[in-house]
Amino acid sequence: QKEVEQNSGPLSVPEGAIASLNCTYSDRVSQSFFWYRQYSGKSPELIMSIYSNGDKEDGRFTAQLNKASQYVSLLIRDSQPSDSATYLCAVNTGANNLFFGTGTRLTVIP
Amino acid sequence: DARVTQTPRDKVTEMGQEVTMRCQPILGHNTVFWYRQTMMQGLELLAYFRNRAPLDDSGMPKDRFSAEMPDATLATLKIQPSEPRDSAVYFCASGSSTSGRETQYFGPGTRLLVL
Repeated sequence: QKEVEQNSGPLSVPEGAIASLNCTYSDRVSQSFFWYRQYSGKSPELIMSIYSNGDKEDGRFTAQLNKASQYVSLLIRDSQPSDSATYLCAVNTGANNLFFGTGTRLTVIP
Repeated sequence: DARVTQTPRDKVTEMGQEVTMRCQPILGHNTVFWYRQTMMQGLELLAYFRNRAPLDDSGMPKDRFSAEMPDATLATLKIQPSEPRDSAVYFCASGSSTSGRETQYFGPGTRLLVL
């Protein structure tokens, strides 16, 4: 079983809709959770981090963490075509090492 | 605007040649990571350093890959001899370790093609 699992997609949503990206992880001692956005041909860019159960909002982005279910998600409200990218979930188990999922490709249709 | 820098950005070489990739981490960061990304495997951790000491290189093929950090401003990844299956994008990332709340900031990557 992989450390971090994501649906590879592609996920297509219309402009203005909410995009929901999901991630599960296997190590119960995981402490820190991150979402990276990667545009085609570019490097991953950190967009959200979350450390405690519940929701964390930053602009149009909301990260949700449920440690009991070992589940972390990213919601993008009012999706824009510029949000079209691959979103990588990453989990830190406390060893200062990040495990990355394979990413979910999101396409926002104008 | 502090950024991780990597050189070269693109490299085309022939099988059997040595390839050296360089990374300058963000000033003040004490951890450095090397990743390889391919369409099939996604992001794979090759090696990482904390305070210049190698902590984990289990993801790296030892017979041909080597990673070093000769000083705090330079990390290197070498492949010798290179093989076509090494073709990938190699990312360096740096971060600052603080009680498991570390985040990593990626460089632009080196796109390697081995013919």
